[in-house]
Amino acid sequence: DSGVTQTPKHLITATGQRVTLRCSPRSGDLSVYWYQQSLDQGLQFLIQYYNGEERAKGNILERFSAQQFPDLHSELNLSSLELGDSALYFCASSPRGSGEPTGELFFGEGSRLTVL
Amino acid sequence: GNSVTQMEGPVTLSEEAFLTINCTYTATGYPSLFWYVQYPGEGLQLLLKATKADDKGSNKGFEATYRKETTSFHLEKGSVQVSDSAVYFCALQYNFNKFYFGSGTKLNVKP
Repeated sequence: DSGVTQTPKHLITATGQRVTLRCSPRSGDLSVYWYQQSLDQGLQFLIQYYNGEERAKGNILERFSAQQFPDLHSELNLSSLELGDSALYFCASSPRGSGEPTGELFFGEGSRLTVL
Repeated sequence: GNSVTQMEGPVTLSEEAFLTINCTYTATGYPSLFWYVQYPGEGLQLLLKATKADDKGSNKGFEATYRKETTSFHLEKGSVQVSDSAVYFCALQYNFNKFYFGSGTKLNVKP
């Protein structure tokens, strides 16, 4: 158990819909990262938050947005869903957004999104 | 830019065989290097890491050496077990908070 909690574990929805994925980082971790894992594209970095502020942005679509709340949990919002958005979405936390160069990421078990 | 390239899978081995999964990287400066493992139905977890050139990371019989001259961090294990079947990801950490992952290599170990 990594200490990172993601909900829901599975989600099935239709094209054009909107969903929200939730992540609770390990206790005390200030950074949250979101990754998308699809069969043909490996692990793609989406976005990172540190203590409530956006710190880095990767290959995140404009239809997607995220935020980190004062209690440090994070939500990833996916809207106008397309078939190609079907993937496993991982959240990971780390102790710091900057600082220790030897930090590691602690991953949740992921939220599997299926768009029909 | 920074990137990680690892060998495509799947890699299929018999139990007790020797394992090598190749990983090379491109980075400016001096990144830290990692191997993560993803077992079926689970999230990624850290397997081993190395923070500077010539460092060797090791864990659970797996080893990888940070080779700056060849920009490589190949994963090795002398004798694999069925329980090692998983997807292995090479990754680098740059500028403290930026992580770059390879595409993953699936390992199948047959009894």
